[in-house]
Amino acid sequence: DTGVSQNPRHKITKRGQNVTFRCDPISEHNRLYWYRQTLGQGPEFLTYFQNEAQLEKSRLLSDRFSAERPKGSFSTLEIQRTEQGDSAMYLCASSSVSGMNTEAFFGQGTRLTVV
Amino acid sequence: DQQVKQNSPSLSVQEGRISILNCDYTNSMFDYFLWYKKYPAEGPTFLISISSIKDKNEDGRFTVFLNKSAKHLSLHIVPSQPGDSAVYFCAAIQGAQKLVFGQGTRLTINP
Repeated sequence: DTGVSQNPRHKITKRGQNVTFRCDPISEHNRLYWYRQTLGQGPEFLTYFQNEAQLEKSRLLSDRFSAERPKGSFSTLEIQRTEQGDSAMYLCASSSVSGMNTEAFFGQGTRLTVV
Repeated sequence: DQQVKQNSPSLSVQEGRISILNCDYTNSMFDYFLWYKKYPAEGPTFLISISSIKDKNEDGRFTVFLNKSAKHLSLHIVPSQPGDSAVYFCAAIQGAQKLVFGQGTRLTINP
């Protein structure tokens, strides 16, 4: 399977705990995005990387959220001290950017439930 | 500030007929537009895209139309099939940066 892979698919955690999600992009893609989606809404942008550089972070991304992409390959998204409002589907996407717009391909997402 | 809007939360179409999904945007700097399809508990799947230098792009049963003066795009699916039932998202990009999504339209194809 050469698509975008996200792990875990589902995560249930108690409020206040830390969680970490992993995304493995399509191997030749240099750009990686994180989005969050709640019921009835479109995906909301969180952050994106070009290779290992984090180019933009949304205002939605509080200090409790941190993302990394060491060596420009896989990426992790960590949420510290989770709150019930963090419950959502977290989506990762990757694309190949060579100075032109191109399609982003999404993984199947990680469903987070904070209880 | 919702830069990409899909004003119809849902749409119901009879199998075999044409489905038309609409999307409006406010940022005139958007230069690339995409449509994604999403099934429950899955990530969005890319369907079709269009550059702002074009007004139409066609791929099989799917056609996207872009009206830059009206800041409006639409996705036509013809003929509609039961497997097309899903949530459809419109997205836009400015300068090869991040995608900005609309709220989605749930399409139901009735047999």
